[in-house]
Amino acid sequence: DQQVKQNSPSLSVQEGRISILNCDYTNSMFDYFLWYKKYPAEGPTFLISISSIKDKNEDGRFTVFLNKSAKHLSLHIVPSQPGDSAVYFCAASSSGNTGKLIFGQGTTLQVKP
Amino acid sequence: GAVVSQHPSWVICKSGTSVKIECRSLDFQATTMFWYRQFPKQSLMLMATSNEGSKATYEQGVEKDKFLINHASLTLSTLTVTSAHPEDSSFYICSAREGRGAVPDTQYFGPGTRLTVL
Repeated sequence: DQQVKQNSPSLSVQEGRISILNCDYTNSMFDYFLWYKKYPAEGPTFLISISSIKDKNEDGRFTVFLNKSAKHLSLHIVPSQPGDSAVYFCAASSSGNTGKLIFGQGTTLQVKP
Repeated sequence: GAVVSQHPSWVICKSGTSVKIECRSLDFQATTMFWYRQFPKQSLMLMATSNEGSKATYEQGVEKDKFLINHASLTLSTLTVTSAHPEDSSFYICSAREGRGAVPDTQYFGPGTRLTVL
């Protein structure tokens, strides 16, 4: 039972354009969501997060949007840069669950120069 | 920023042997450490949660007698894959959590260990 889903395994965008990565979840107990960036043979690095009490959080080129009614979140990267090319994972957590994270399958982003 | 190290970064072993993987928080005390496994092109799957000085909590389907976790101090957790078999070949990643707050942002990941069982 995949509680967090990233239905697009890959995405290719041109440098300077917007990258939009999507994530859906099924568990209504999730109240905190995170995006991680991962390179091959390395651990994930934290990018940005959002609490369920908000619908948007912005940090520089990265913005995360949360639609609770649709159980959907997205990560926008604008403008995209070649260095953004990596695998992006969304993860979800529920408060009181000792910080346990449930990850999606990941989306490989390629930003072409 | 907070740094989590793992050792070894890769290991190749024969079937039936045991392999120990170390996870260390280098500049902070980790009240909780998590162990994940990632198969190629798949998600990170949580295996277990360990708190310093207490027994690990394993996720459903993870054999606790096969994947032994010891969280002996606030900076070190070890995962031992006992009697490893080829199907245990995977990328094992640990993470360490600083503090006991509800916000999971303070969870830092190690670089991972590639295990190959021949």
